[in-house]
Amino acid sequence: QVQLVESGGGVVQPGRSLRLSCATSGFIFSSYALHWVRQAPGKGLEWVAFISYDGRNEFYVDSVKGRFTISRDISKKTLFLQMNSLRVEDTAVYFCAREDLSYGDHFDFWGQGTLVTVSS
Amino acid sequence: SSELTQDPAVSVALGQTVRITCQRDSVRSYFASWYQQKPGQAPVVVIHGRNNRPSGIPDRFSASSSGNTASLTITGAQAEDEADYYCCSRDSSGDHWVFGGGTKLTVL
Repeated sequence: QVQLVESGGGVVQPGRSLRLSCATSGFIFSSYALHWVRQAPGKGLEWVAFISYDGRNEFYVDSVKGRFTISRDISKKTLFLQMNSLRVEDTAVYFCAREDLSYGDHFDFWGQGTLVTVSS
Repeated sequence: SSELTQDPAVSVALGQTVRITCQRDSVRSYFASWYQQKPGQAPVVVIHGRNNRPSGIPDRFSASSSGNTASLTITGAQAEDEADYYCCSRDSSGDHWVFGGGTKLTVL
């Protein structure tokens, strides 16, 4: 079965860095685009970043552009999010999600999320 | 970038029908997808494309669209449908995704 499992969250000071991982299984990793979506405490969902199935294209929400980098490792079947220059407003649960293009693109599988807390 | 606007909260009596709307700032747009999220859980897609339900999603969930408004309808709401619902779509550029602010559904 399809599984996505995030890790790497924690408490970090403003200005520091953190790297999130999303280990995947149960599907052909190189065939699917992947995303990061976050949710601040008590708030709604916010799309953060996209990486194409082949890793050639990356897109970011404006608020993280230049600070966050999405990447993927086909040998490890793992998605990453390198987060630099973290801000208090980056505090959120970060979900990785698989994109399915059938019948309109959508996020068909999600991880359980990993909490990032940016605080001094 | 595009915006998707949802009513913050909606309530429905048990067994009745409720419509949750998602207003976009552009008529020309991609299909919306709809996600259900219960407290402490990851979102689950309930509708995608024109009106497609993933396996395991009850047929009381359906979607429609008119002009720049996408809608999720629950026909015969059940207690287990109480959750937050989010619409999502690519923006007009096609390289950014946007979520609506979410609608908290209460089943009375």
